[in-house]
Amino acid sequence: LAKTTQPISMDSYEGQEVNITCSHNNIATNDYITWYQQFPSQGPRFIIQGYKTKVTNEVASLFIPADRKSSTLSLPRVSLSDTAVYYCLVGGPYTGGFKTIFGAGTRLFVKA
Amino acid sequence: DGGITQSPKYLFRKEGQNVTLSCEQNLNHDAMYWYRQDPGQGLRLIYYSQIVNDFQKGDIAEGYSVSREKKESFPLTVTSAQKNPTAFYLCASGPLAGDILLAKNIQYFGAGTRLSVL
Repeated sequence: LAKTTQPISMDSYEGQEVNITCSHNNIATNDYITWYQQFPSQGPRFIIQGYKTKVTNEVASLFIPADRKSSTLSLPRVSLSDTAVYYCLVGGPYTGGFKTIFGAGTRLFVKA
Repeated sequence: DGGITQSPKYLFRKEGQNVTLSCEQNLNHDAMYWYRQDPGQGLRLIYYSQIVNDFQKGDIAEGYSVSREKKESFPLTVTSAQKNPTAFYLCASGPLAGDILLAKNIQYFGAGTRLSVL
């Protein structure tokens, strides 16, 4: 399973754009890149998923370069409610099993 | 409405006691998972199941047991062999590994159960 590396924490201010980069040098051909958001004492919530290039939804954008060895989650104009832990996961379907690895994530703290 | 339900929200365990955490989903997902989260840490996989009556150990299965008698249910028992059970336990469900055309590798989580030792 591909290991991911992301910053432990980030600070931002309301209204700013936040970019969180995740490194996954050993990503496999069939792997997808998925980001989750977790608030304290809640389960993680799916934000966005992509395979290559750029993906955008109503919450965030995901930028993936051609070599797919990294990805960047972009949160436009963050608010205080975006303070959370953000997890980057890399994985896909495997014969005989299906596992995902949640690392420590990136703690984003949005200030007023 | 559809979702994944964990109960209870808070649970206390006495020394030497087994306790069972409930997880039910009505999303018609084949796969279900149990994770443990310690303060300030990421999630660690305890057990997962892809089909009824079958399950596999995750990274930290020792001291835990599960069953999958129904598609909708995946209860986790924390046994007395688990010497440090205090943690936040999360259950998740998702499409089967082979459903490549469906939402890929996306898991849907419950609200969690916080287990403490008396």
